[in-house]
Amino acid sequence: DGGITQSPKYLFRKEGQNVTLSCEQNLNHDAMYWYRQDPGQGLRLIYYSQIVNDFQKGDIAEGYSVSREKKESFPLTVTSAQKNPTAFYLCASSLGQGDGYTFGSGTRLTVV
Amino acid sequence: SQQGEEDPQALSIQEGENATMNCSYKTSINNLQWYRQNSGRGLVHLILIRSNEREKHSGRLRVTLDTSKKSSSLLITASRAADTASYFCATDQYNNNDMRFGAGTRLTVKP
Repeated sequence: DGGITQSPKYLFRKEGQNVTLSCEQNLNHDAMYWYRQDPGQGLRLIYYSQIVNDFQKGDIAEGYSVSREKKESFPLTVTSAQKNPTAFYLCASSLGQGDGYTFGSGTRLTVV
Repeated sequence: SQQGEEDPQALSIQEGENATMNCSYKTSINNLQWYRQNSGRGLVHLILIRSNEREKHSGRLRVTLDTSKKSSSLLITASRAADTASYFCATDQYNNNDMRFGAGTRLTVKP
């Protein structure tokens, strides 16, 4: 079955630590996205990539970094510079402009 | 920057009733999409309507788009308890494919 997989489902981070969230898709989609969702809130765009080896900042990119070395993979690193990282992180992919998104099931990150 | 704003924030209805949710946005768009999210899960794409379309149907879902008022509505007919979820609208802007989401409408359907 084609789909988009996020791992891990739950992640705990200590203060000052970098952590990387995985996102893999086998849908042959060109575009991939990372969103952050806080309790009771909508989604805010962190980074997106329309094509391999290229990515763009979204609305809240500070404290985050990404890479897009392969079409299937778009990992997100939450760095120690992100002061309030506790949130639900959602990865999505799409064929391109004008197409609906397919979302992963999310990673819940908690700072301990 | 959030583009879409859903209204109401929360909606509670009885099974069998219709549910209507509204979305307003600020700038010109290529398309508007509606998504559903069950608690703690990813979002599921429901329906996409393009800027040159006025109405679309999918099963019990009906979406309208009024570009002159920069607004859309999602109607769920004959609601079921399983429709209980949060519903989000998302919009792009011309020449961009990075969708912006509203804060959502939390729908509760009581059996």
